[in-house]
Amino acid sequence: NAGVTQTPKFRVLKTGQSMTLLCAQDMNHEYMYWYRQDPGMGLRLIHYSVGEGTTAKGEVPDGYNVSRLKKQNFLLGLESAAPSQTSVYFCASRKQATNEKLFFGSGTQLSVL
Amino acid sequence: GDSVTQMEGPVTLSEEAFLTINCTYTATGYPSLFWYVQYPGEGLQLLLKATKADDKGSNKGFEATYRKETTSFHLEKGSVQVSDSAVYFCALNSGGSNYKLTFGKGTLLTVNP
Repeated sequence: NAGVTQTPKFRVLKTGQSMTLLCAQDMNHEYMYWYRQDPGMGLRLIHYSVGEGTTAKGEVPDGYNVSRLKKQNFLLGLESAAPSQTSVYFCASRKQATNEKLFFGSGTQLSVL
Repeated sequence: GDSVTQMEGPVTLSEEAFLTINCTYTATGYPSLFWYVQYPGEGLQLLLKATKADDKGSNKGFEATYRKETTSFHLEKGSVQVSDSAVYFCALNSGGSNYKLTFGKGTLLTVNP
């Protein structure tokens, strides 16, 4: 059982470069999320999706874009990376019903120089 | 809006000591409450949950009771082990926006042999 898979696991970018983080889940979950984790800040929601073809902004969406063209994939894009986007990024998914638990990927460590 | 406040860490204990990590919340309606755990280098995983007042969630020796009167969901374990060293997150899922979880900032626990 793969669960939630994130690629890549590590990446170093220069300021201004672009990249896409891929999240794939094989559990047929409706809801998918992108979080960033920073020291002392906990987890902050960037964007989320409640179904194929839908996306919505979370707490900290600026500088990021997302797409959910297929139900199993949720892509997070950085068009012009900034040092403030240095963080650990986690993807998560869950079933549609209330109170269902989140399944997390193992994270992507991104450094922007 | 919804919020979760956890006791600040880090918390350092000796093996077999008693653990309490405090968590209080603010939410509309009747939220569900969760504790997630993050082991070093991994994503978060659900530890336990409670979906209504006076419910007790339990798993792996950890317990937490949903106290509506004090808006609290404190995590406890009677005898911690070195393998319990991790970051613990309290979270809630309220009915108003039930597809999103609100996380606390996390509490780092280190257990020494």
